[in-house]
Amino acid sequence: AQSVTQPDIHITVSEGASLELRCNYSYGATPYLFWYVQSPGQGLQLLLKYFSGDTLVQGIKGFEAEFKRSQSSFNLRKPSVHWSDAAEYFCAVGAVSGGGADGLTFGKGTHLIIQP
Amino acid sequence: DTGVSQNPRHKITKRGQNVTFRCDPISEHNRLYWYRQTLGQGPEFLTYFQNEAQLEKSRLLSDRFSAERPKGSFSTLEIQRTEQGDSAMYLCASSLNNEKLFFGSGTQLSVL
Repeated sequence: AQSVTQPDIHITVSEGASLELRCNYSYGATPYLFWYVQSPGQGLQLLLKYFSGDTLVQGIKGFEAEFKRSQSSFNLRKPSVHWSDAAEYFCAVGAVSGGGADGLTFGKGTHLIIQP
Repeated sequence: DTGVSQNPRHKITKRGQNVTFRCDPISEHNRLYWYRQTLGQGPEFLTYFQNEAQLEKSRLLSDRFSAERPKGSFSTLEIQRTEQGDSAMYLCASSLNNEKLFFGSGTQLSVL
């Protein structure tokens, strides 16, 4: 069965500092990997996705993620965070690009706090 | 494109009552998904439609849960004989074929 582990429940970062959120997955085949962001009262928004090809993926809002098959990881990074980045971040894995019959399996999320 | 719309935003009910939530997907999207999210957890996949056909429902949490999409447009999720453990955020998402999912803001259910 597929699973996603986000080892950090909370992360606190100073505004302007760099950010890395960790994600490890377990999946029997080539995974489709996603990062979503959820702000209070807002729906989940897709930041970026990886299907194949270049293992460094660029997303919206200045985020990027790197797929490392040998480590079963898909960590999210941003060189300089802004106060508006404070939110809950979810890593997800799926059998197909956006959902399909198996849906997506999400991690438990990492709550990002930005210090002024 | 007004996004995925879910109603109501909040629902408070008493244990044992039935509740129904509605999801209006993005108009041209043929796929519709329901997820449940409890506090401190990521969303959990429940069921999925392609047009009006429900292609996966084995992940619905119990036989008290059912979903419909009668005309391939909006969908409803019904929970019968609600229990306190059903309290959660119920999320709907839609997509065009296998492209990215667009999520609604969810319906927050509280069962007293």
